[in-house]
Amino acid sequence: AQTVTQSQPEMSVQEAETVTLSCTYDTSENNYYLFWYKQPPSRQMILVIRQEAYKQQNATENRFSVNFQKAAKSFSLKISDSQLGDTAMYFCAFMKQIQGAQKLVFGQGTRLTINP
Amino acid sequence: DARVTQTPRHKVTEMGQEVTMRCQPILGHNTVFWYRQTMMQGLELLAYFRNRAPLDDSGMPKDRFSAEMPDATLATLKIQPSEPRDSAVYFCASGFVITRGRLNTQYFGPGTRLTVL
Repeated sequence: AQTVTQSQPEMSVQEAETVTLSCTYDTSENNYYLFWYKQPPSRQMILVIRQEAYKQQNATENRFSVNFQKAAKSFSLKISDSQLGDTAMYFCAFMKQIQGAQKLVFGQGTRLTINP
Repeated sequence: DARVTQTPRHKVTEMGQEVTMRCQPILGHNTVFWYRQTMMQGLELLAYFRNRAPLDDSGMPKDRFSAEMPDATLATLKIQPSEPRDSAVYFCASGFVITRGRLNTQYFGPGTRLTVL
């Protein structure tokens, strides 16, 4: 069974700093997808960034980038120039294909606080 | 700006009552997922549909939960009878699958916060 582990329950940094959130996963599959979702206090789940496992190039979205290490099964999220609005729970998720549809398996989340 | 919508946003009910949660997927999406989020279990997949057909509901308690898609614009999750342990935030997500193996990003609705007293 696929599992996703986020080893940092909570993190806190100052505004404008760079922060890295860790995620490791376990799978025997070769083709899969990885995601980071953000959940602010509003509880809305917002897609931050996604990575296709067959792509070696790390995905980037503005201030957000990932360090995808397929052999190590590691998928960390780096937030540069952090902003107060980045305060949220961040979930790493692994997508597996089951019966023609794709199911997300989530980690337990990291609560990130950006301090002014 | 296409979004998944869910109603109601909040629901407080008493144990034993029926609860129905509704979801409108993004127009054109052909997959719908129901998730439950609790402090103890985190995010769990309850059920998913593709082209309105239920493909897997193994994560859902069968005796009291049911999920349906009456049409392409509406998905429902029903709990009957509800119990206090069902208190959680229920998310609906939708996506689009063309062929097997292609990326299907899931877009989440705002969730329904259910409290069963």
